[in-house]
Amino acid sequence: DTGVSQDPRHKITKRGQNVTFRCDPISEHNRLYWYRQTLGQGPEFLTYFQNEAQLEKSRLLSDRFSAERPKGSFSTLEIQRTEQGDSAMYLCASSLVGSGVLNTEAFFGQGTRLTVV
Amino acid sequence: AQSVTQLDSHVSVSEGTPVLLRCNYSSSYSPSLFWYVQHPNKGLQLLLKYTSAATLVKGINGFEAEFKKSETSFHLTKPSAHMSDAAEYFCVVSVGGNQGGKLIFGQGTELSVKP
Repeated sequence: DTGVSQDPRHKITKRGQNVTFRCDPISEHNRLYWYRQTLGQGPEFLTYFQNEAQLEKSRLLSDRFSAERPKGSFSTLEIQRTEQGDSAMYLCASSLVGSGVLNTEAFFGQGTRLTVV
Repeated sequence: AQSVTQLDSHVSVSEGTPVLLRCNYSSSYSPSLFWYVQHPNKGLQLLLKYTSAATLVKGINGFEAEFKKSETSFHLTKPSAHMSDAAEYFCVVSVGGNQGGKLIFGQGTELSVKP
């Protein structure tokens, strides 16, 4: 399977602990997105990268959240000092953009479900 | 600001009857629009996309959508619903020009299909 891969699929953590999620995009894709989805809601944009450059961070991302894509391939999303309100599904997606490549769709991973207890 | 509004949070149809899921968009320029489907415990899957070519877009599984600039709408339709169509559907707008920017999702429409 050469789709978007996320690890872990599920994470239960105690409030106050740090967690890190990993996303491996489709190999030739240069753009990578992170979204958060809570029950009954549509995915909310968190941040995205073009290669290794972080292009935008949502105001939803507090100082406790950080994302990296150091070599322009896989990405990590870290949440420090987790709170119960952080419980959600964290989705990663990737796409290919550039000259001559218009509006290709984003391919989503299965997500990491975080539960903070 | 660019956004999408899905007019129905829940739609229920009988198997074999038409499906209509409504979406209105707000965009300061010609948008790129998508419909995604999310089945329970499954990842988001692209149904179809509009990228300023034909206004009537055909997607997978018999779905199609029509871009109507005058009405700022991008409604999703299917002539005959199947039980397997029961899922959550999201209308999405791409923000950031034709090179693709971030995707902004609507709140979703849950489609139920009755036997």
